[in-house]
Amino acid sequence: NAGVTQTPKFQVLKTGQSMTLQCAQDMNHEYMSWYRQDPGMGLRLIHYSVGAGITDQGEVPNGYNVSRSTTEDFPLRLLSAAPSQTSVYFCASSYSNGERETQYFGPGTRLLVL
Amino acid sequence: KNEVEQSPQNLTAQEGEFITINCSYSVGISALHWLQQHPGGGIVSLFMLSSGKKKHGRLIATINIQEKHSSLHITASHPRDSAVYICAAILSGGGADGLTFGKGTHLIIQP
Repeated sequence: NAGVTQTPKFQVLKTGQSMTLQCAQDMNHEYMSWYRQDPGMGLRLIHYSVGAGITDQGEVPNGYNVSRSTTEDFPLRLLSAAPSQTSVYFCASSYSNGERETQYFGPGTRLLVL
Repeated sequence: KNEVEQSPQNLTAQEGEFITINCSYSVGISALHWLQQHPGGGIVSLFMLSSGKKKHGRLIATINIQEKHSSLHITASHPRDSAVYICAAILSGGGADGLTFGKGTHLIIQP
């Protein structure tokens, strides 16, 4: 199994540009989440999904969209990048068995918005 | 105020020392994760626990749900244990279906 994969590893954007951060998992996990990690802030939940076709907002959803058309993929879209979105983004997944167990994290995407 | 607090923020110790990292939370939780983030940035789940104690190698995690406190212990610490350790709570009672994270403890083990 590849686990949780994220692409790209690193991206530089100009303010106003849009882009999609890709996340995929091959473990047939129902739960998938996107987090951003900023210095001194810890990880914060952006959006999450409990299964294909179902998404919901987390703590810091503004400026981001998600979709979950398949179990495997959970892309995060930045509609119009802003310098405040400079961060490291982590995708995570876990089983759906009534109580989430081990969280599997992707390697992260470092995003710099100029 | 962050719902999940960790202490200490930074910890430097000598190889072989017994390490304790603490995590306290102010709300009801259903479970708590301990995560390890290495300097390269990757995050690995160490434990998920909702009661009692779990052990894996030199790592031990305990939780007391009533006291709203969890600890991560490292016995016979080694420089390769140097990393950021993060506790993350699954909040009970609904809300965002994700984890609420502490800010992490930056651990350095010196040879």
